[in-house]
Amino acid sequence: DTAVSQTPKYLVTQMGNDKSIKCEQNLGHDTMYWYKQDSKKFLKIMFSYNNKELIINETVPNRFSPKSPDKAHLNLHINSLELGDSAVYFCASSQGGVGKNIQYFGAGTRLSVL
Amino acid sequence: DQQVKQNSPSLSVQEGRISILNCDYTNSMFDYFLWYKKYPAEGPTFLISISSIKDKNEDGRFTVFLNKSAKHLSLHIVPSQPGDSAVYFCAAKASGTYKYIFGTGTRLKVLA
Repeated sequence: DTAVSQTPKYLVTQMGNDKSIKCEQNLGHDTMYWYKQDSKKFLKIMFSYNNKELIINETVPNRFSPKSPDKAHLNLHINSLELGDSAVYFCASSQGGVGKNIQYFGAGTRLSVL
Repeated sequence: DQQVKQNSPSLSVQEGRISILNCDYTNSMFDYFLWYKKYPAEGPTFLISISSIKDKNEDGRFTVFLNKSAKHLSLHIVPSQPGDSAVYFCAAKASGTYKYIFGTGTRLKVLA
């Protein structure tokens, strides 16, 4: 039973399209995150939600919009996809945000924009 | 400005020997440090952590050392096993914040 699950695992699409990635955690955590791992393998935080409230919003183009319908879900919608959006996107969750918490990661979504 | 650095992109070690992975940080507000292990096509999985009030934490074959004055931490794996071959990320966090800052990873290859 996967703790943090992301769908889809692979996403290949054309420039200009709009796509969504879904994330669900069954750990009962109250904080969820989206990370982008680029070609240099650097894991960079994009967004974080705590109890459905946006608490981290890094310098990300506003084509990226996270949505958290409830504590267990954090989806990422990307409008007008660009070549530079090609990366692996990881969802993660943790219990509590500001303490000494461990993050649990999904398996990642590899996005390829053609 | 990268606040967490892993300067060795890769490391090869013979099976049974010690693997030492290093991580440096610049932000003195960081007080919690974690190591994650990542296999291809999987997400990072938590390995071991250390709070800034300690200088060592051990869990089986894995030990993390923290040198606050040098802003340096290291992960020791002994004895190394082929199944340890993976990318290892260190991450750091400051109290009162939600943000984890990750290093760029070190690819460890344990040779049988």
